[in-house]
Amino acid sequence: KQEVTQIPAALSVPEGENLVLNCSFTDSAIYNLQWFRQDPGKGLTSLLLIQSSQREQTSGRLNASLDKSSGRSTLYIAASQPGDSATYLCAVAGATNKLIFGTGTLLAVQP
Amino acid sequence: DTGVSQDPRHKITKRGQNVTFRCDPISEHNRLYWYRQTLGQGPEFLTYFQNEAQLEKSRLLSDRFSAERPKGSFSTLEIQRTEQGDSAMYLCASSQTELGYGYTFGSGTRLTVV
Repeated sequence: KQEVTQIPAALSVPEGENLVLNCSFTDSAIYNLQWFRQDPGKGLTSLLLIQSSQREQTSGRLNASLDKSSGRSTLYIAASQPGDSATYLCAVAGATNKLIFGTGTLLAVQP
Repeated sequence: DTGVSQDPRHKITKRGQNVTFRCDPISEHNRLYWYRQTLGQGPEFLTYFQNEAQLEKSRLLSDRFSAERPKGSFSTLEIQRTEQGDSAMYLCASSQTELGYGYTFGSGTRLTVV
């Protein structure tokens, strides 16, 4: 059974700092991994999608890496801003494209 | 196409009442998913459709829950005889059929059972 873990559960950083969020999964037989952002009481916004054959994806200040063999992904946020404050969720997709989510990292960027 | 739409955004109901939620996916997406999210947790899979066929249901989807996608377009999720434990955010998402395509989520329906 696939299990996804995210560390840390919560993180508070001063504005401008670079930071890394971690995601690990137990079954390396995945088709893709997706990072989402969720604001309080809202739905999920897709940030980055990494296919199983890829090593990383970049979008603006965000960079996500994937090491399928070790069951790990990281989300790197450069030059953090208060508007980046949200919960960040990692999810992996298997053969049916069903997503298995971690419990998220709650990020607070202090101005 | 403006993305995945869910209605209503919020629903407060008394215990024992029936509720129905609607999801309109992105039109060219064949797959439609329902997830449930409780406070402080990641979303949990409930069920998914490919076109009008319901292909998988989680054990979380008790007999009180039913989902339909009658014409392969919009979907409804009905909860009968609601319980306080049903209080959660219900999220709908859609994707292309081909593996490797990402999801697009709606804004969710927040259900509160009092």
